[in-house]
Amino acid sequence: DGGITQSPKYLFRKEGQNVTLSCEQNLNHDAMYWYRQDPGQGLRLIYYSQIVNDFQKGDIAEGYSVSREKKESFPLTVTSAQKNPTAFYLCASSTVQTGGNQPQHFGDGTRLSIL
Amino acid sequence: KQEVTQIPAALSVPEGENLVLNCSFTDSAIYNLQWFRQDPGKGLTSLLLIQSSQREQTSGRLNASLDKSSGRSTLYIAASQPGDSATYLCAVTRSNDYKLSFGAGTTVTVRA
Repeated sequence: DGGITQSPKYLFRKEGQNVTLSCEQNLNHDAMYWYRQDPGQGLRLIYYSQIVNDFQKGDIAEGYSVSREKKESFPLTVTSAQKNPTAFYLCASSTVQTGGNQPQHFGDGTRLSIL
Repeated sequence: KQEVTQIPAALSVPEGENLVLNCSFTDSAIYNLQWFRQDPGKGLTSLLLIQSSQREQTSGRLNASLDKSSGRSTLYIAASQPGDSATYLCAVTRSNDYKLSFGAGTTVTVRA
């Protein structure tokens, strides 16, 4: 059954700590994305990657880092530099075609809270 | 900068009533518009995708229209059911960088 798996479902961060959110997909998609969702706001793009070993900053990349060593995996690290990390984090993937007209598929998200 | 607005933020209707959800965007230079459904604590499920050259898309009880020149889209859900209770988000694919800009969503409650 193809899809996107995000883990853990819930995560707690202490002050000064880096935490890593996992995102794995078996849809054979080239592109992967990380979004942040805050109450009452739309999703905002943190980072995206269209090919292995390459990624680009989105609209709110400060305090976050990513890697893309495998096509299936796109982990997101929330660093201690991110001062307001409490949010719902969503990972997505899509095929890459000219014009970007392919729909994105989403995982079930990770909720990150500060201890 | 593309701004996407969804009004109202919340909506409550009795079962069987038709739902009308609105989405507006400020920049008409888009490649497509998508409507998503989000259940509490879950990810997004794509409902309909309308290409910029299309006027509407239909899937079952769902129909979405797009008026690119006026920057508006409407999602119609016919004969609503309690199972339709969820948050509905619209997103446009920006033509300059192919990324999505999302609205904040409309939370729908269908009362049995």
